[in-house]
Amino acid sequence: DTAVSQTPKYLVTQMGNDKSIKCEQNLGHDTMYWYKQDSKKFLKIMFSYNNKELIINETVPNRFSPKSPDKAHLNLHINSLELGDSAVYFCASSPVQGRGELFFGEGSRLTVL
Amino acid sequence: SQQGEEDPQALSIQEGENATMNCSYKTSINNLQWYRQNSGRGLVHLILIRSNEREKHSGRLRVTLDTSKKSSSLLITASRAADTASYFCATDAGQAGTALIFGKGTTLSVSS
Repeated sequence: DTAVSQTPKYLVTQMGNDKSIKCEQNLGHDTMYWYKQDSKKFLKIMFSYNNKELIINETVPNRFSPKSPDKAHLNLHINSLELGDSAVYFCASSPVQGRGELFFGEGSRLTVL
Repeated sequence: SQQGEEDPQALSIQEGENATMNCSYKTSINNLQWYRQNSGRGLVHLILIRSNEREKHSGRLRVTLDTSKKSSSLLITASRAADTASYFCATDAGQAGTALIFGKGTTLSVSS
């Protein structure tokens, strides 16, 4: 049973397109996150939701819009994709917001051409 | 701003040797965690050390924390080829509305 699952694993698309990445966790955690990992492996927090409520919204372009339909799901929609959006996007969850161990998905590698 | 900085950026050793990675951070923390990332995979939690702890062990892993120097080290003893991965420290300020802040990672290569 995969604890945190993301789809798709790979996404190749053209500049200007809109795409979504979905994430689901079956751990019963209250908090979910989106992190972006660049080509140098630097991981940066993008968003955090706690019980469907947006808690953290780092300085991310508003082309990125997270949506949490319930506390087990956190999706990421990206409008008007740019070359610089190419990265690996990781979803994660934790039992408590801001503290404790994070459980990561396997990542979604986005390539914008 | 970036909280954790690992050192070295890359480390190559032979199987059986010990590997030591260091992490420095800038602000007060509630705890510090280490994660491993195998190539093309997600991060996996290894160990958490609280700010009032100085040392923690888990199998072949030993983590130390020096809050006065704002630094931590991860020691992997008797390394194996399967330990080849990137290792990240992450700090937790323990405040509402914050998330784990990750360092840039150390890439460890263990050759047989």
